[in-house]
Amino acid sequence: EPEVTQTPSHQVTQMGQEVILRCVPISNHLYFYWYRQILGQKVEFLVSFYNNEISEKSEIFDDQFSVERPDGSNFTLKIRSTKLEDSAMYFCASSDYNFGGGSTYEQYFGPGTRLTVT
Amino acid sequence: GENVEQHPSTLSVQEGDSAVIKCTYSDSASNYFPWYKQELGKRPQLIIDIRSNVGEKKDQRIAVTLNKTAKHFSLHITETQPEDSAVYFCAASVLSGGYNKLIFGAGTRLAVHP
Repeated sequence: EPEVTQTPSHQVTQMGQEVILRCVPISNHLYFYWYRQILGQKVEFLVSFYNNEISEKSEIFDDQFSVERPDGSNFTLKIRSTKLEDSAMYFCASSDYNFGGGSTYEQYFGPGTRLTVT
Repeated sequence: GENVEQHPSTLSVQEGDSAVIKCTYSDSASNYFPWYKQELGKRPQLIIDIRSNVGEKKDQRIAVTLNKTAKHFSLHITETQPEDSAVYFCAASVLSGGYNKLIFGAGTRLAVHP
């Protein structure tokens, strides 16, 4: 069964450094998302992406964050200047809903990247 | 703003008992309610979902009920087994075309004891 993949599984970086988290969504999916989960807290929506542009972003997704789909398979989240409070598990998700039918609204999650900012 | 409250935060049951997890949502426009199961160190996985035009949905030992008036929805697991032990997240969403932003509850850690 196809799965969303994410790399790296764990990233340690120093405060102020740039990080890029990478995701490969399921190949025929059209909608892409990033969520984060601070340890012990709820999963929080960051951003959604469709047709090569952001559909919606949360208040968390400020100017330090950006997303990109550089090719037909990868979907990346960049944090330009990391802060201690960016330490969290970052999940990528994708879904394949299309109006032609035969699909669902289910979002398939990747295994996550644990980002530690020191 | 949009918010989903989830209770209880932890739930401990004996194998074979039923487990019920409850959520309330704030955005009355929400029309899609998935439940995700997350085992330790693994990705969240959808176990069941319901749309607002349906009051109840069942899949083997798992059922979800929705009360739109009260803005409540619940997950029911019957005949629990040790492998049901995990963290369960409810979520609410407003379907907009094909995309849906999930607003998650805080999670319920379910422990099923043999």
